[in-house]
Amino acid sequence: DAGVIQSPRHEVTEMGQEVTLRCKPISGHDYLFWYRQTMMRGLELLIYFNNNVPIDDSGMPEDRFSAKMPNASFSTLKIQPSEPRDSAVYFCASRRTGGPGTDTQYFGPGTRLTVL
Amino acid sequence: DAKTTQPPSMDCAEGRAANLPCNHSTISGNEYVYWYRQIHSQGPQYIIHGLKNNETNEMASLIITEDRKSSTLILPHATLRDTAVYYCIVKGSGGSEKLVFGKGTKLTVNP
Repeated sequence: DAGVIQSPRHEVTEMGQEVTLRCKPISGHDYLFWYRQTMMRGLELLIYFNNNVPIDDSGMPEDRFSAKMPNASFSTLKIQPSEPRDSAVYFCASRRTGGPGTDTQYFGPGTRLTVL
Repeated sequence: DAKTTQPPSMDCAEGRAANLPCNHSTISGNEYVYWYRQIHSQGPQYIIHGLKNNETNEMASLIITEDRKSSTLILPHATLRDTAVYYCIVKGSGGSEKLVFGKGTKLTVNP
């Protein structure tokens, strides 16, 4: 089975430009998560969806960040306008609903974003 | 904030067992202990999880103390490919789906 797919794998852009990161979760998974990883802050959750509905976006840093999940097989994380401090690796993860102790999340390979 | 405490780094000789400790003294009755690892430049990878019984799978074993305030992840025969940052995470079922990753333990397996 294909794992979580993210694109692009690397993105270099200039400050002020719009950036769109894409994620395809594992088929059949009904939860989708967006994380950001930096040296300073480590790995932190930005937002997660359940059945395509945003449940908790408290980790989204500011209004410049937005995330959508138009269907069960696709999600985007958009930054507009981008700033150098947004440079990080962005991970997407997914999991399926199950009983207690079935909270295993499966992570994609990440998108390394560099904002100049 | 992470509910766990781990040593920042550990070393292990190739072929030997790697024992990674984790303290979670404030764990509550319905919270599970999860272990993930992150090999350089890759996404985190699930290893194992448990509630109160010891668990074993093809990757590792998880030993949880009787009072559940600490646990140990055991890689029985560490290889160079096991060099990674290992994260111990406590999470309950139900409620928020948030996984809180602390700083983890950087395990270096030496030849």
